[in-house]
Amino acid sequence: NAGVTQTPKFQVLKTGQSMTLQCAQDMNHNSMYWYRQDPGMGLRLIYYSASEGTTDKGEVPNGYNVSRLNKREFSLRLESAAPSQTSVYFCATNPWESYGYTFGSGTRLTVV
Amino acid sequence: DAKTTQPPSMDCAEGRAANLPCNHSTISGNEYVYWYRQIHSQGPQYIIHGLKNNETNEMASLIITEDRKSSTLILPHATLRDTAVYYCIVSGDLKTSYDKVIFGPGTSLSVIP
Repeated sequence: NAGVTQTPKFQVLKTGQSMTLQCAQDMNHNSMYWYRQDPGMGLRLIYYSASEGTTDKGEVPNGYNVSRLNKREFSLRLESAAPSQTSVYFCATNPWESYGYTFGSGTRLTVV
Repeated sequence: DAKTTQPPSMDCAEGRAANLPCNHSTISGNEYVYWYRQIHSQGPQYIIHGLKNNETNEMASLIITEDRKSSTLILPHATLRDTAVYYCIVSGDLKTSYDKVIFGPGTSLSVIP
């Protein structure tokens, strides 16, 4: 099915470990986004990429890095995981031509 | 900070219209009103958006007041599958800018049998 694919769906890390969350879209969209959602709260923007080759910080970028590998893929890296980064991470895309974001199904990350 | 205010929760009887209000008193002239919903722990789903005219699609209707300081999302015949958190968002024209979409806590809608 066309859409936004996030991997992995679940992950448990120990404090200090690193990992990369992957996001891939097959809709030929230009802009891509990474959000995090903590329990009972709305989504907060971590980083976004308006187009291939560009990235910008969102509201809560500290502790994260991103790579827009190509038009399809936008990865989020945690270099040294902390318990405060326990959250659900959502990737989203937007094609410019329309106004609705398409979200992936999320990665549930627990840092112990 | 989110630019919108929504009630934290609402109930609606199945088959009845669900009217979800949103206040956005500081909206500027070039900002749109967007609505998304999030069912259980899935990713948010886009519903509808508008600038100043009322809008309707296959999912819902959006009514924006003349002064644009508030709006109402209407689900005409709510079903149990409409139980979700509904987010009202004010943002720039995403077609021409990369304005970030800020999600507040939203309204948790419970559709009751």
